Amino acid sequence: QKEVEQNSGPLSVPEGAIASLNCTYSDRGSQSFFWYRQYSGKSPELIMSIYSNGDKEDGRFTAQLNKASQYVSLLIRDSQPSDSATYLCAGDSSYKLIFGSGTRLLVRP
Amino acid sequence: NAGVMQNPRHLVRRRGQEARLRCSPMKGHSHVYWYRQLPEEGLKFMVYLQKENIIDESGMPKERFSAEFPKEGPSILRIQQVVRGDSAAYFCASSPPTGQTNEQFFGPGTRLTVL
Repeated sequence: QKEVEQNSGPLSVPEGAIASLNCTYSDRGSQSFFWYRQYSGKSPELIMSIYSNGDKEDGRFTAQLNKASQYVSLLIRDSQPSDSATYLCAGDSSYKLIFGSGTRLLVRP
Repeated sequence: NAGVMQNPRHLVRRRGQEARLRCSPMKGHSHVYWYRQLPEEGLKFMVYLQKENIIDESGMPKERFSAEFPKEGPSILRIQQVVRGDSAAYFCASSPPTGQTNEQFFGPGTRLTVL
């Protein structure tokens, strides 16, 4: 069964620190990977997509992909209390997305 | 509002009733996906539709659940004879036509409670 694995957390970091979120996937056929942020009681919000090996930066967010290791990560620089949420990692599998169970991030003021 | 629209936002049904959830994709998007999120669990794919076609329904329970995306109007996820285990948040997502990005954007969800 195709799976995406994430540590459920919570990951607790102080305000201003770098938060590092990780995910591994089992389907070598996956080509596209996505990070979504989900606040409690709300819907997932797409924050990053990555398609090729290496790093992709967008503002305070950097996504990293290593297809050989089947590993995806998200770095959040200068973490803010408003970043406190659950972060969902997803990989594509023939159009549909396979989601991890999410990592809960808590940014302490 | 150019985002994905879902209604109703909250739906309460008694066991045995029918639930009908609606989704209108983002403007310019022709692909619709339905996902279910059970309490304290991750998002699980249910079905992928294009206009008038079900492309992949591998995640949908074989009984009681059906989905459609007619030529005109929103996509509908229909749950017949609901049971308590159907209580969950149901999210619809949409993406642009094939060949463009496969990024999926989610609607606000319908939270179904079965009494």
